[in-house]
Amino acid sequence: DTGVSQDPRHKITKRGQNVTFRCDPISEHNRLYWYRQTLGQGPEFLTYFQNEAQLEKSRLLSDRFSAERPKGSFSTLEIQRTEQGDSAMYLCASSTTAAETGGYYEQYFGPGTRLTVT
Amino acid sequence: QKEVEQNSGPLSVPEGAIASLNCTYSDRGSQSFFWYRQYSGKSPELIMFIYSNGDKEDGRFTAQLNKASQYVSLLIRDSQPSDSATYLCAGDTGGFKTIFGAGTRLFVKA
Repeated sequence: DTGVSQDPRHKITKRGQNVTFRCDPISEHNRLYWYRQTLGQGPEFLTYFQNEAQLEKSRLLSDRFSAERPKGSFSTLEIQRTEQGDSAMYLCASSTTAAETGGYYEQYFGPGTRLTVT
Repeated sequence: QKEVEQNSGPLSVPEGAIASLNCTYSDRGSQSFFWYRQYSGKSPELIMFIYSNGDKEDGRFTAQLNKASQYVSLLIRDSQPSDSATYLCAGDTGGFKTIFGAGTRLFVKA
């Protein structure tokens, strides 16, 4: 257990439905990341927050995806009008800033939310 | 498109042997590189990071970085069956965005 929690762990939904996932990072970590991972691939960067500010969003992400991190604490990732191609493991990670650790930062991953779109 | 390339494997080594995992990257601006281990059905966990040219050793693991050749490697000495996992190479593209390779599956035979 890394201290990063995600909820739910599994989600099965029908195509066209909206889903929302939650991530609770390690409390002192100000950086939070969302990734998507499909079978046989590495995690694919989706978006990144520093505190409550969303600083980058992957161009691969369609407008159906949105993420928030109110008050710089937990984060939510919402997928609207789900498609079968959205089926994947959605991973959240958190870290401190490189400046605080002399240029090195370790991302601690949560257990992930496995989404299945039928 | 900034990329990190790995041989998907599987790489199979006998117990006690040295496992050598390799990775190349396309972004010359990348500063730090990471090796994550991912067991089946689990999340990635960091095992090594490196940001200077040369070797870095931590227990049975040695990471090697050659920025001129844009090449990163991981050596696992005295491989154990518990080392069987997928090893992900990742590069930092600017301090906050990490690009992962597809991973190399390693099997250590007892």
